[in-house]
Amino acid sequence: DSGVTQTPKHLITATGQRVTLRCSPRSGDLSVYWYQQSLDQGLQFLIQYYNGEERAKGNILERFSAQQFPDLHSELNLSSLELGDSALYFCASSSDTGELFFGEGSRLTVL
Amino acid sequence: EDQVTQSPEALRLQEGESSSLNCSYTVSGLRGLFWYRQDPGKGPEFLFTLYSAGEEKEKERLKATLTKKESFLHITAPKPEDSATYLCAVGINAGNMLTFGGGTRLMVKP
Repeated sequence: DSGVTQTPKHLITATGQRVTLRCSPRSGDLSVYWYQQSLDQGLQFLIQYYNGEERAKGNILERFSAQQFPDLHSELNLSSLELGDSALYFCASSSDTGELFFGEGSRLTVL
Repeated sequence: EDQVTQSPEALRLQEGESSSLNCSYTVSGLRGLFWYRQDPGKGPEFLFTLYSAGEEKEKERLKATLTKKESFLHITAPKPEDSATYLCAVGINAGNMLTFGGGTRLMVKP
């Protein structure tokens, strides 16, 4: 158990809809990272937050947004969903030593 | 652009048959080289961090080594429970996120 909690574990929705994925980092970790994992593209970095502020941005679509709240939990919002957005979405948090610790992921299926 | 390439993509071994997985990287300013294990449908599980060329780390049947251009994950006398996808990732000095390779899917047959 990494200590990173993600909900929901599974989500099935239709094209055009909007979903929110939630992540609670390990106790004491200030950084939260979001990654997308699909079969053909591996683990792709989306965005990082540190203590409530956006720190780095990767290949995140404009239809996707994220935020980190004062209690350090984070939410990833995915809107106008397309079939190609079906993937596993992972949240990770990091300590000062730089290792990332991943949650169990949220599996999104867009029909 | 930072690049991480893992080979082979898939590897089948008999139980007890030792082998190595390769991770080649091209980055500007390596902060660390990270190895993870991922089981199907699960999140990546942290294994090792290597910081400088020549460094080695071991954990049970796994040993990771690092040179200036690549890292190897040596698996000695593997067991079926070692079957998983092994991911390597690089961290650069300019940020804290990790860039991952495509992974090596290891299957160990009894």
